[in-house]
Amino acid sequence: DVVLTQTPPTLSATIGQSVSISCRSSQSLLHSNGNTYLNWLLQRPGQPPQLLIYLVSRLESGVPNRFSGSGSGTDFTLKISGVEAEDLGVYYCVQSTHAPWTFGGGTKLELK
Amino acid sequence: EVQLVESGGGLVQPGRSLKLSCVASGFTFSNYGMNWIRQAPGKGLEWVAYISSGSSYIYYAETVKGRFTISRDNAKNTLYLQMTSLRSEDTALYYCARQGVFRYFDYWGQGVMVTVSS
Repeated sequence: DVVLTQTPPTLSATIGQSVSISCRSSQSLLHSNGNTYLNWLLQRPGQPPQLLIYLVSRLESGVPNRFSGSGSGTDFTLKISGVEAEDLGVYYCVQSTHAPWTFGGGTKLELK
Repeated sequence: EVQLVESGGGLVQPGRSLKLSCVASGFTFSNYGMNWIRQAPGKGLEWVAYISSGSSYIYYAETVKGRFTISRDNAKNTLYLQMTSLRSEDTALYYCARQGVFRYFDYWGQGVMVTVSS
């Protein structure tokens, strides 16, 4: 199975600060069809996760453009350019290139 | 508005069975693959099972393979998860999630709690 390693596990930030989260895969997530099925989710406390970014860098409808994704192959990054209070929660990367789909361990974003 | 509503959870003894349901509305259910994803208390997300729109493709996590069965009834807009031989480590909040065109989980239910304990 593909293992996704997220770092850091915890991130402390002030409002307005820019932060990045890394997601490293144990094997390439490039599918034979040319797509890379690496997505990012945010889970706010007490809520189900919500989709932020899909196919590495495509912003889900309604998601603020302070969120951006990048990367290829085995190394991926989620960046928040100017953290806002509503961004606090746990971020997960998830791959759906290779069955079984797998999640990263999560990165908790909290206020400093 | 897309809605996914899970039901069927509860307290069950180890070794027993339980069947979860997820009723979908607000979209053409038969056009989408669906997933079950779980979250143990205080832990991260764990993907459990996937079923394609027409039930042709089904995948399971190794931790549940042979014990859980995912199925769907497109006429009833309902997704199921039959869980047998339940273990304490199956205790979790179980979410159903729609799989979008590019294999992302774009809509989630609120989840249903399953507690396996004697």
